[in-house]
Amino acid sequence: NAGVTQTPKFRILKIGQSMTLQCTQDMNHNYMYWYRQDPGMGLKLIYYSVGAGITDKGEVPNGYNVSRSTTEDFPLRLELAAPSQTSVYFCASSRSGRSADTQYFGPGTRLTVL
Amino acid sequence: ILNVEQSPQSLHVQEGDSTNFTCSFPSSNFYALHWYRWETAKSPEALFVMTLNGDEKKKGRISATLNTKEGYSYLYIKGSQPEDSATYLCASDRGSTLGRLYFGRGTQLTVWP
Repeated sequence: NAGVTQTPKFRILKIGQSMTLQCTQDMNHNYMYWYRQDPGMGLKLIYYSVGAGITDKGEVPNGYNVSRSTTEDFPLRLELAAPSQTSVYFCASSRSGRSADTQYFGPGTRLTVL
Repeated sequence: ILNVEQSPQSLHVQEGDSTNFTCSFPSSNFYALHWYRWETAKSPEALFVMTLNGDEKKKGRISATLNTKEGYSYLYIKGSQPEDSATYLCASDRGSTLGRLYFGRGTQLTVWP
């Protein structure tokens, strides 16, 4: 059972480039989330999905897009990368959307935009 | 309190010391409080989910308490070991739906041998 996997682990982008951060979970969870974690700050929710085909914005969605074509995959797309998007990106999943449900996290993608 | 706040921001202790840190959260419309342990370059790992006022949870040398009326939770580590070195995150739902969690900035614990 791999849990939540993310690729790549590290990436350096130039300003204006685009990329997709991949996230896959094998727990058959309906809910998936993308967070970013800036130094000295708490994790901020970028986007979330309550099931295949359904996504919605979190606290900090600007500059990002997501899609959810399958239960397992929830890619995060960065268009026109900016230095402000330098961060650690975490994908997470949970079985249901209940507040008491544990969210399981991937190992993160460390992105630097220069 | 509107946000989830954690204190202290960082903590350095000697091996064998016991330590504790605090998470404060909005007490209105509260449903759940989560504690996570995060080691650099690894996935944040769930420690506890707490929902009821007065809840106490324990996992080995780590325990947590919850006061929903005043909006705080304490995490205790008894007899700290170097492998306890990590950032400890707490998160609250702040009364939201759809499992949205709001995270504090974390307490970074370093245990010196």
